[in-house]
This record gives sequence, C-alpha cells and structure tokens, in this order.
Amino acid sequence: DVKVTQSSRYLVKRTGEKVFLECVQDMDHENMFWYRQDPGLGLRLIYFSYDVKMKEKGDIPEGYSVSREKKERFSLILESASTNQTSMYLCASSLPGPRGYTFGSGTRLTVV
Amino acid sequence: GENVEQHPSTLSVQEGDSAVIKCTYSDSASNYFPWYKQELGKGPQLIIDIRSNVGEKKDQRIAVTLNKTAKHFSLHITETQPEDSAVYFCAASKRNAGNMLTFGGGTRLMVKP
Repeated sequence: DVKVTQSSRYLVKRTGEKVFLECVQDMDHENMFWYRQDPGLGLRLIYFSYDVKMKEKGDIPEGYSVSREKKERFSLILESASTNQTSMYLCASSLPGPRGYTFGSGTRLTVV
Repeated sequence: GENVEQHPSTLSVQEGDSAVIKCTYSDSASNYFPWYKQELGKGPQLIIDIRSNVGEKKDQRIAVTLNKTAKHFSLHITETQPEDSAVYFCAASKRNAGNMLTFGGGTRLMVKP
C-alpha cells in the first residue's frame, strides 16, 4: 500500500522555537506539497517541490521554509514558531500532473 | 490564478437520500477535477476524479459531472450511508510543472441514520 508518512501526529511547541515537520513518501513521486488546514479556510498551499532541491512558494509561505535533499523526503521548517501557526499540517505527493495527490494523515501542531 | 468555490459548506441528509456538492472554478484552462474525502483524524483521500474531455464519471454510488461551459462540476452520492459522513473537498488543476491543485473550501456532510 502506497504511503505518505508524517513523522508526528501531534506536536506542542513553544513560541520562538524552530520546528521541523517531516514527510516521507514511498511511491517515487516527483511532486511533494505542504498544506495547512484551518477551519473555514480549507487547504492552503505553503510550499511545493517538483524535484529534488527544487522548491516553489505557495499561497502562504511567510514564516516557513522547506528542504528537499532526497526525492522521498520533504521537510517543512517553522523558523520561529508563533501562535498563529497553530494548525493542521498536511503533506502530499503526486506524479507529474495533472493528477491526484496522496496525502499523509497530518500533523496537528499547537504553538503555546 | 485559479479560484474554486464550493457549496454548501455543510449538508445534512437522511440515510438513503442523495447528496450533491457543487463547485465552480474560474480558470478555463483547468482540465483536471478531483474530489477528496476527509474522515475525522485522517488526511484527505482521493475518491473520484474527472478530466475535461468527459462530462460524467461514475464509480458505484458516487458520480461526478462537469460542465466546462459553465465552469462548474458536482459530486453526487446516492443511497447515502452513515460512513459517508466526512468533509469533502473539490479541486481543480491545469497542466503545469508542479501539478498544483486549487482546493475548494470543503463541505461537511452528515448522514443521519
């Protein structure tokens, strides 16, 4: 069964901390994505990558960065966590499109 | 850029009834339209998709229709069951380097037994 695995289901971090969210896919997909999901706002794209070491900003990149050193792994970095980054974070991957994504189960991050 | 609007935001139906969720998109170049189901505590899962060269696609109790002229597409669920209760998202995409999907705001479907 193909999978996108996010390293943590729940995280609690303090304001100002540097936070790493990890995502690994086992499908040899070229494209990987990070979304955040908030009530009433749907899914908003933070960053995506269509190849190793490539990254593109999505709709809401401020306060985030990403790293893709290997094809299977896409990391989201919160440089200095703030309370307004409390959210559900979803990672996804896909083959070159247009086609559907495979999502991970999400990481619910709380910044206190 | 693309804008996808989804209605209604919540939908409550009786078990066995049909449910319809509608989406409109703004970019006439969009040519791929997937639908996702998100159950509580899980990531969204692709349930059906349609490409712009067809007008309708069916898979058991779910179907999707596409009207390219009006730029809208709909999800139809027949004979709803309690396990259909979830949040449903529509999305739209066009051929591009990153396969970017633009998502609608989601519909919370509640099927009452």
